[in-house]
Amino acid sequence: AQSVTQLDSHVSVSEGTPVLLRCNYSSSYSPSLFWYVQHPNKGLQLLLKYTSAATLVKGINGFEAEFKKSETSFHLTKPSAHMSDAAEYFCVVSANTGFQKLVFGTGTRLLVSP
Amino acid sequence: GAGVSQSPSNKVTEKGKDVELRCDPISGHTALYWYRQSLGQGLEFLIYFQGNSAPDKSGLPSDRFSAERTGGSVSTLTIQRTQQEDSAVYLCASSLKLATSTDTQYFGPGTRLTVL
Repeated sequence: AQSVTQLDSHVSVSEGTPVLLRCNYSSSYSPSLFWYVQHPNKGLQLLLKYTSAATLVKGINGFEAEFKKSETSFHLTKPSAHMSDAAEYFCVVSANTGFQKLVFGTGTRLLVSP
Repeated sequence: GAGVSQSPSNKVTEKGKDVELRCDPISGHTALYWYRQSLGQGLEFLIYFQGNSAPDKSGLPSDRFSAERTGGSVSTLTIQRTQQEDSAVYLCASSLKLATSTDTQYFGPGTRLTVL
């Protein structure tokens, strides 16, 4: 079965410093991986997705993630945090069930201080 | 264009009552998904539709839960005889196609259900 593990429940950074949100996946085949963001009282928004093309994936708002098969990782990064980045981030894998069933990690809450 | 909409945004009900949650997908999206987000279980898949049919209902937590989709558009998730453990945010998503790993699911804002 496919699964993802988000290694940190909370990450705190200062505005202007780099962001690293860690995700490891488990999959018996080449996975499709996603990062979604959820701002308070808002719906989930897709940040970026990996679908076996380029291993370095660029998303919205300056975020990017690198697929590393040897490490089974898909960490999310951003060079410089902004106050508006404070939100919950979910690493997601698509299960191979004949349809796109999304399996979510437990989430990482990003806190950004001035 | 308009995104996925859900109604009501908040629902408070008493234990034992039935509730209906509505999802309006993005126009033209053939695939529709329901998820539940709760403190104890995180985000979990419930059911998906391709057109009006739901080939896989295994994610529904009990037989008190049912869902339907009419006209290949609006979907309703019904919870009968609600229990306190049903309290959660119910999220709906739609995508243009089904089963392709490159497809993107677009999520609605959710319905927050509180069972007293």
